[in-house]
Amino acid sequence: DSGVTQTPKHLITATGQRVTLRCSPRSGDLSVYWYQQSLDQGLQFLIQYYNGEERAKGNILERFSAQQFPDLHSELNLSSLELGDSALYFCASSVGLAGGHEQFFGPGTRLTVL
Amino acid sequence: AQKVTQAQTEISVVEKEDVTLDCVYETRDTTYYLFWYKQPPSGELVFLIRRNSFDEQNEISGRYSWNFQKSTSSFNFTITASQVVDSAVYFCALSEYNQGGKLIFGQGTELSVKP
Repeated sequence: DSGVTQTPKHLITATGQRVTLRCSPRSGDLSVYWYQQSLDQGLQFLIQYYNGEERAKGNILERFSAQQFPDLHSELNLSSLELGDSALYFCASSVGLAGGHEQFFGPGTRLTVL
Repeated sequence: AQKVTQAQTEISVVEKEDVTLDCVYETRDTTYYLFWYKQPPSGELVFLIRRNSFDEQNEISGRYSWNFQKSTSSFNFTITASQVVDSAVYFCALSEYNQGGKLIFGQGTELSVKP
């Protein structure tokens, strides 16, 4: 158990809908990262928050947004969903901001868009 | 540009064989970190090792060992006397010190260890 929790574990929805994925980092970790794992794109970094502020952005679509709340939990919002958004979404946390810190991954949320 | 290449898509071995998973990386930074993660069939990502760019010492942990060579930009992972429980997808990843910690992953190598 990494100490990172993600809910829900599975999500099935329809095209055009909006969903929210939730992540609670390990106790003491200030950085939260979101990654997307799909068969065609592999594991891709989406976005990083550190202590409530956005710090790095990857290949995140404009339809996707995220935030980190004062209690450090984070939410990833996906809107106007398309079939291609079906993927496993991971949240990870680390203690620091810069590269080099070990990232602990949550169990993932499997999103299926029908 | 940052890039991680794992040329081996799938490897199949018989239990007790040794197996090496290759990882080649590209970066312009002088300070960077390399990682290996394991993704068993259950789907979670499990941290195995981290190496910084200034430490080229090889590391051994039980049946696992890692060979870091800056001259060839490689960070290979060897499992000695493989076991069925080693069956998983293994990812090599790179992070650069000034890039906020994001991990750039390779495509992964699926290792199948047969009894």
